[in-house]
Amino acid sequence: QKEVEQNSGPLSVPEGAIASLNCTYSDRVSQSFFWYRQYSGKSPELIMSIYSNGDKEDGRFTAQLNKASQYVSLLIRDSQPSDSATYLCALTGTASKLTFGTGTRLQVTL
Amino acid sequence: DVKVTQSSRYLVKRTGEKVFLECVQDMDHENMFWYRQDPGLGLRLIYFSYDVKMKEKGDIPEGYSVSREKKERFSLILESASTNQTSMYLCASTSGGAVIATNEKLFFGSGTQLSVL
Repeated sequence: QKEVEQNSGPLSVPEGAIASLNCTYSDRVSQSFFWYRQYSGKSPELIMSIYSNGDKEDGRFTAQLNKASQYVSLLIRDSQPSDSATYLCALTGTASKLTFGTGTRLQVTL
Repeated sequence: DVKVTQSSRYLVKRTGEKVFLECVQDMDHENMFWYRQDPGLGLRLIYFSYDVKMKEKGDIPEGYSVSREKKERFSLILESASTNQTSMYLCASTSGGAVIATNEKLFFGSGTQLSVL
């Protein structure tokens, strides 16, 4: 089982809709969780971090963490074409390093 | 503005060549990382360093070595390049010492697309 699992997509949502991106992980002692966005041909950039159960909101983005079920999700409200990118889930586990998922490609259609 | 600079955007090398990928950061960060990114496999950690002259193996260190003689510079070395090392290589840095804190943000360089023929 991979440490961090994401559906590769593409996830296609119409403009203005809510995009829901999901990530599951296997290491129960994982402590901190991150969502990075990567545009095609560019480097990843951090958009959200979360470390305790529940929701964390930042503008149109909401990260949700459920440690009991070992999943973390990212909701993007009012999706825009500029949100079209690959979204990478990442976490810190037993070692002091960041482990990434393979990413979910999001397409926001007009 | 913070910056992580990778020396080359595109690089083409021959099988068996020794390859150096250079990364420099100007943020006085302790931690530096080398990842490779391949379609369907995501970002995989090759090596990281949390201090000058310190290095730790990541998940896929085989065929690679690193050097960190100065805090701002972290070099990735392919001792004898092979075709399966064709990939996008990303350098990143963050502050915080040996443990990545809760909200530590990784700053990435723009990447080096290496092709080994």
